[in-house]
Amino acid sequence: ETGVTQSPTHLIKTRGQQVTLRCSSQSGHNTVSWYQQALGQGPQFIFQYYREEENGRGNFPPRFSGLQFPNYSSELNVNALELDDSALYLCASSLGTGGRETQYFGPGTRLLVL
Amino acid sequence: GIQVEQSPPDLILQEGANSTLRCNFSDSVNNLQWFHQNPWGQLINLFYIPSGTKQNGRLSATTVATERYSLLYISSSQTTDSGVYFCAVERLAGGGADGLTFGKGTHLIIQP
Repeated sequence: ETGVTQSPTHLIKTRGQQVTLRCSSQSGHNTVSWYQQALGQGPQFIFQYYREEENGRGNFPPRFSGLQFPNYSSELNVNALELDDSALYLCASSLGTGGRETQYFGPGTRLLVL
Repeated sequence: GIQVEQSPPDLILQEGANSTLRCNFSDSVNNLQWFHQNPWGQLINLFYIPSGTKQNGRLSATTVATERYSLLYISSSQTTDSGVYFCAVERLAGGGADGLTFGKGTHLIIQP
């Protein structure tokens, strides 16, 4: 158990809809990173939030957006869903940012877009 | 961006065997982590090892940062060791986080 929780566990949406995924970080951690894992691939970095500000972003379009709240929990929002957005979405929490921190992952949300 | 290559892509062993998984990376890193992903998708932290050697029970890992590779050793394999093993790295952030870059993983199957 990493102490990182995600909700919901599974989700089915249709193309064009919008979705919000949620993540609660491990106690004491102030940084949350989001990753997308397509079937058979390694996770890919979407973005990171540190102290409620976006602190880095991978190669994902603007329809992927996020928020971090004062309690350091976070949301990932995806607009105008496409079939290729079907994936396992993972969040990870860490203490601080800078590239040296151990990241602890939640159990993930499986999103299916039909 | 940084490239991460893992080998072998697939490995099938009998229970009790030993194995070595390799991770090569293309640039200097400040974070290297090994993970085991279970069948339900949970990424389980095995080691944080940007350099040096660590051991935890039947598992050990070594990273030679100057030569840009890391090795994960599994001894006396058990069926519960089955799953996908990922190596992930991150460079020191300058103007913002790069996040972890993952390899494609090694799919390990331990047969009874």
